[in-house]
Amino acid sequence: EVQLVESGGGLVQPGGSLRLSCAASGFTFSSYWMSWVRQAPGKGLEWVANLKQDGSEKYYVDSVKGRFTISRDNAKNSLYLQMNSLRAEDTAVYYCARDSRSSSPHRKIDSWGQGTLVTVSS
Amino acid sequence: QTVVTQEPSLTVSPGGTVTLTCASSTGAVTSGYYPNWFQQKPGQAPRALIYSTSNKHSWTPARFSGSLLGGKAALTLSGVQPEDEAEYYCLLYYGGAQSWVFGGGTKLTVL
Repeated sequence: EVQLVESGGGLVQPGGSLRLSCAASGFTFSSYWMSWVRQAPGKGLEWVANLKQDGSEKYYVDSVKGRFTISRDNAKNSLYLQMNSLRAEDTAVYYCARDSRSSSPHRKIDSWGQGTLVTVSS
Repeated sequence: QTVVTQEPSLTVSPGGTVTLTCASSTGAVTSGYYPNWFQQKPGQAPRALIYSTSNKHSWTPARFSGSLLGGKAALTLSGVQPEDEAEYYCLLYYGGAQSWVFGGGTKLTVL
């Protein structure tokens, strides 16, 4: 069974930093792209970033470019999101999600963690 | 800025059929956008339903189906059940930017 467990959320002041982690199990982590998706309170889903299996390619939504960094440690089956220069509008539940396999003709996001809440407020 | 548009809300009767759509500001949605669909209930993480336009996950109920319809991606629910009341999101892949974009979501009410 695929399991994704996020951690690291909390309350941070505007301009501060936070590092989110996602522990993956139940599948071959190193075979998949991985994504972060967020959801502001009462709002819709927003894709934030994704990262190729070997870490060689990473992509971000424009609103976080230059502030957030996605990374992974395949030896630890873990995904990370380093968030700097946080703003009030970054307040959201952040979900770790399994993205596609490069070897597959399909592109899909098929498994989600339960999310971790990040609150940016003074 | 790319915008993906869904109906904000729809209402369907139990046992009925309803179609949700997903449009792209860049033009017609094709299979190359690999449309994905998700269901989210209050307080829960999203659950994947459909990928690559019409492919179901092993856990997707048979009453859910995906297609392309009139330049949009579509999710059809046939024989709607009360437990299908939820928010539904589409997700499109933009290969040029190597990025995903979610639609704004459709709140489906079963009444």
